[in-house]
This record gives sequence, structure tokens and C-alpha cells, in this order.
Amino acid sequence: AQSVTQLGSHVSVSEGALVLLRCNYSSSVPPYLFWYVQYPNQGLQLLLKYTSAATLVKGINGFEAEFKKSETSFHLTKPSAHMSDAAEYFCAVSEITGNQFYFGTGTSLTVIP
Amino acid sequence: EAGVVQSPRYKIIEKKQPVAFWCNPISGHNTLYWYRQNLGQGPELLIRYENEEAVDDSQLPKDRFSAERLKGVDSTLKIQPAELGDSAVYLCASSLIETGGGQETQYFGPGTRLLVL
Repeated sequence: AQSVTQLGSHVSVSEGALVLLRCNYSSSVPPYLFWYVQYPNQGLQLLLKYTSAATLVKGINGFEAEFKKSETSFHLTKPSAHMSDAAEYFCAVSEITGNQFYFGTGTSLTVIP
Repeated sequence: EAGVVQSPRYKIIEKKQPVAFWCNPISGHNTLYWYRQNLGQGPELLIRYENEEAVDDSQLPKDRFSAERLKGVDSTLKIQPAELGDSAVYLCASSLIETGGGQETQYFGPGTRLLVL
């Protein structure tokens, strides 16, 4: 089975600073990769997904992620943090065959004014 | 377009009581998922339906949990009897899986927050 590791359960950045949330997966075959955001008391919302097309994926709200096969990573970045970005972020992986998602444990992002 | 609808949003029950959660997926989505999310954790799949068939229920605790998706649209997840450790957020998601297609995005509902006392 796949596994997903999100380094850093809590990340704090200043408003306007770079956001970097880390995600590594375990697979010898590049899977499909997703980033979801969860605001308090809400469900998960898709930020972006990688499905074997371009390795640099742009998502909503200015977020982007780069698939690096050699590092088995799919880190999420945003050049300039906004207060509204404060939320829980989940990386998820899915095998190319089958439709089951494996989620990481999440990273809580705090944005400091 | 309406998203995934779940009810109730919150439920507080005493242990050993039954509880049921309801999910209405996005119209036209043939695949429905139930997840459990414990505090500080990512969602964990409980069961996945393709139309009305449960195609993956390997993580569903079948001694107390049951689910159904009659007519391949709405779904109900039941716990009977509930235990203290069942306190969590129960998320429903749906997607459209086309024959021969690749991975499709899952769209999540707001979840039902269950507290078992």
C-alpha cells in the first residue's frame, strides 16, 4: 500500500512570506498526487492534483506543487502567505490503478500578521 | 452545482447508542466514499461504493459499522452500538469514475462530527 509522509505537523509563517509544506510518498511507480485544504469545521477542498502531465502543477489561491520523481516528493508552495491561508493541508496519493486515496496526517498552517 | 451534502453536521450520543449519518453525493457521481477522520489525522477510508456496489470495505469494522447505498445515489453509514473511540469526523466524498479513465478528483462534504460520551 501507498504511504504519505508530511514533514512538520505545524508550520508558521509571517504574512507575505513563502509557504512550503512538504510531502513525500512511497512508491516505485509515480502515483497520482493531490493537495487538499481543510478549513475549520469544513470538508476537504482540492487545491491541485498531479496526474502525470506537467511536473509543476498550479492550483487555486496561488498555490503550486512540483512533482519530483527522484525525490518522491510533491511539496506545496505559495510565494506570499495570506491570512486566509491558515488551515489544515493534506497531501494524498492514489495509485494509477484503483481509486483509493491515502492521506498524510496533515500540516496545520498558521499565518502570523 | 450543489456539492456533497451530509447530515447531521454534529451528533452527540451516549456510548452503546446507535447513530446514522447520511450523504447525498454530487449529481451524476457514480463513486461514493466514507472516511473517518480522527483529531489531528488525515482521513481514513471506511468504504467505497461504485454505484450501489461496495467495492472496498476492507477497513470497515463490520461488527458495529454498516453502510448502504440503495439505488446508487444517497448513502447511509450506521454505527451500532457506538463506542467512545468512534468519536471522530465522518466524511463523505464522491467522484465520477469513467470506464478506462484515470484517477478522478474526490469532492468532499463538510462531514459529521460525532462525539460519543
